[in-house]
Amino acid sequence: GAVVSQHPSRVICKSGTSVKIECRSLDFQATTMFWYRQFPKQSLMLMATSNEGSKATYEQGVEKDKFLINHASLTLSTLTVTSAHPEDSSFYICSADHRTSGGLETQYFGPGTRLLVL
Amino acid sequence: AQSVTQLDSHVSVSEGTPVLLRCNYSSSYSPSLFWYVQHPNKGLQLLLKYTSAATLVKGINGFEAEFKKSETSFHLTKPSAHMSDAAEYFCVVSEGYSSASKIIFGSGTRLSIRP
Repeated sequence: GAVVSQHPSRVICKSGTSVKIECRSLDFQATTMFWYRQFPKQSLMLMATSNEGSKATYEQGVEKDKFLINHASLTLSTLTVTSAHPEDSSFYICSADHRTSGGLETQYFGPGTRLLVL
Repeated sequence: AQSVTQLDSHVSVSEGTPVLLRCNYSSSYSPSLFWYVQHPNKGLQLLLKYTSAATLVKGINGFEAEFKKSETSFHLTKPSAHMSDAAEYFCVVSEGYSSASKIIFGSGTRLSIRP
């Protein structure tokens, strides 16, 4: 089945530093990947759509200079939280668009990365 | 514009009894609908999906959901709850056939199972 991994699973950093989170589709190629943010006991909020070889599309209210997204290959998208602050602490989840042999597309999700900014 | 409403933030049932998690949607076009489950400290797992084929969709772990256009609903059910079903469940809507289209998550329903 389609597997999506994220690295790291958990990261603690000091305020003002930058943190990079990787999202990989392990056994399929994904033209499109998505980045979500989930606050405790809340639903997922789409942050941006990551398109291989082109600029990411950000949702309203998401700072593109704060959350840098790079989708350099069909199996890897990265999210960099620049100059992180405590309010950026959250659970970040990526998903990858997987097309089956029947042509149906489904999003498969990574296990998430828990970011804590001190 | 599309939206999805999960009517219950928390559902508690006894082990062995039926489960019903409610979901209503709003969509301008023919939607694709999904149910995902999230266990504590784990990633989201696709339970089932509806994409304009059969209205009764069977998923993994004994779950199924029925698409009712007249009621704009896509409720998730399971005949007999198991302790391992305790988790957070999300109803998701996507306009059109492709889930690579923008998708919207419901607010989630936490399912608790009593022994």
